[in-house]
Amino acid sequence: NAGVTQTPKFRILKIGQSMTLQCTQDMNHNYMYWYRQDPGMGLKLIYYSVGAGITDKGEVPNGYNVSRSTTEDFPLRLELAAPSQTSVYFCASSYAGEELFFGEGSRLTVL
Amino acid sequence: DAKTTQPNSMESNEEEPVHLPCNHSTISGTDYIHWYRQLPSQGPEYVIHGLTSNVNNRMASLAIAEDRKSSTLILHRATLRDAAVYYCSATRTGNQGGKLIFGQGTELSVKP
Repeated sequence: NAGVTQTPKFRILKIGQSMTLQCTQDMNHNYMYWYRQDPGMGLKLIYYSVGAGITDKGEVPNGYNVSRSTTEDFPLRLELAAPSQTSVYFCASSYAGEELFFGEGSRLTVL
Repeated sequence: DAKTTQPNSMESNEEEPVHLPCNHSTISGTDYIHWYRQLPSQGPEYVIHGLTSNVNNRMASLAIAEDRKSSTLILHRATLRDAAVYYCSATRTGNQGGKLIFGQGTELSVKP
């Protein structure tokens, strides 16, 4: 089991560019999540999904989009990147919200 | 989902017990109490969760107040590796649940 895999691990974007952070899990988990963590701060929930075809907003969804077409994948799309989106992004999954397994994170810098 | 409040930081000595408190006074009857920790430069990892009864696992114990408005994560013998930020959350699991929001966390430092 690879667990939760995030790509890329590092990325530098210019202001206004767009990109997709990929997240895939091989544990057949129903629930998937995207969090961001700004330097020296805690975790903020961006979006989450309780199953394929179902997504819902978290605390800080503005500037992001998600889709969940399969159980395994939960990509996070950044449109029109801004310096405020410089952060470390963590994807996580769980069977039913009880024990989350986190990926290693994707460090994004917007210049 | 209930708002949680934790102290910003705590200190402990190695091999001594550590009690990390969390207040969740607006918790509902279906909210589970979750604890995660984040070691330096790593992603968060699950520690423990519970609903009403105290819970034990290989990492820690979770003591839940009778009124469920607070809980305490207990590390029985702190090691240097336990230095981390500990996050508490009160969230429903299962149907109509899953929106796990973390509090600000407690940074635990462990002195040799």
